[in-house]
Amino acid sequence: EAQVTQNPRYLITVTGKKLTVTCSQNMNHEYMSWYRQDPGLGLRQIYYSMNVEVTDKGDVPEGYKVSRKEKRNFPLILESPSPNQTSLYFCASKLRAGGGIYEQYFGPGTRLTVT
Amino acid sequence: AQSVTQLDSQVPVFEEAPVELRCNYSSSVSVYLFWYVQYPNQGLQLLLKYLSGSTLVKGINGFEAEFNKSQTSFHLRKPSVHISDTAEYFCAVSIIQGAQKLVFGQGTRLTINP
Repeated sequence: EAQVTQNPRYLITVTGKKLTVTCSQNMNHEYMSWYRQDPGLGLRQIYYSMNVEVTDKGDVPEGYKVSRKEKRNFPLILESPSPNQTSLYFCASKLRAGGGIYEQYFGPGTRLTVT
Repeated sequence: AQSVTQLDSQVPVFEEAPVELRCNYSSSVSVYLFWYVQYPNQGLQLLLKYLSGSTLVKGINGFEAEFNKSQTSFHLRKPSVHISDTAEYFCAVSIIQGAQKLVFGQGTRLTINP
């Protein structure tokens, strides 16, 4: 089954404790992206990747890091989480960016609470 | 830069009644337009999209949307809703060139009452 998976689905952590949220897709997609969803703000893009080893900042990149060493994986790293990073996070992927319009597939979400 | 405004944060309707969820966008360049649905505790699912051509677009689950370029709107409609349509709905735009980043509206929570 074609899908985007995220782990963990729920995470409660404390301020300053480094964490990684994993994202994996099995559709051989070139483009992957991370969003955060906050009430009244919709989804905002954190980082995106056009292909392996190619990443770029989205609209709200502060406090986050990403890497794209393999095509299928796009982990989101919070080096020193703070309470304002408490949010619902979504990973998404699509075949490629540009050259046409391709549907973006979303993972199930990771609910992160930072205390 | 592009922006999307969903004019209603919450819309309560009775089952089998019609519904319209409003979306307006702003962009200096041509865009693609989308509606996504998020059911409770799930990710986003594409409902429909407008790329070009006919301004009336039909999607899944009986939803349709109309693109109005002069009013920069892309309102979502369904003639008769069901309890299963209870969800949050997001309007989004993407410029045609480049990375085609999705820019989302704030979301509209649709609640269907029996």
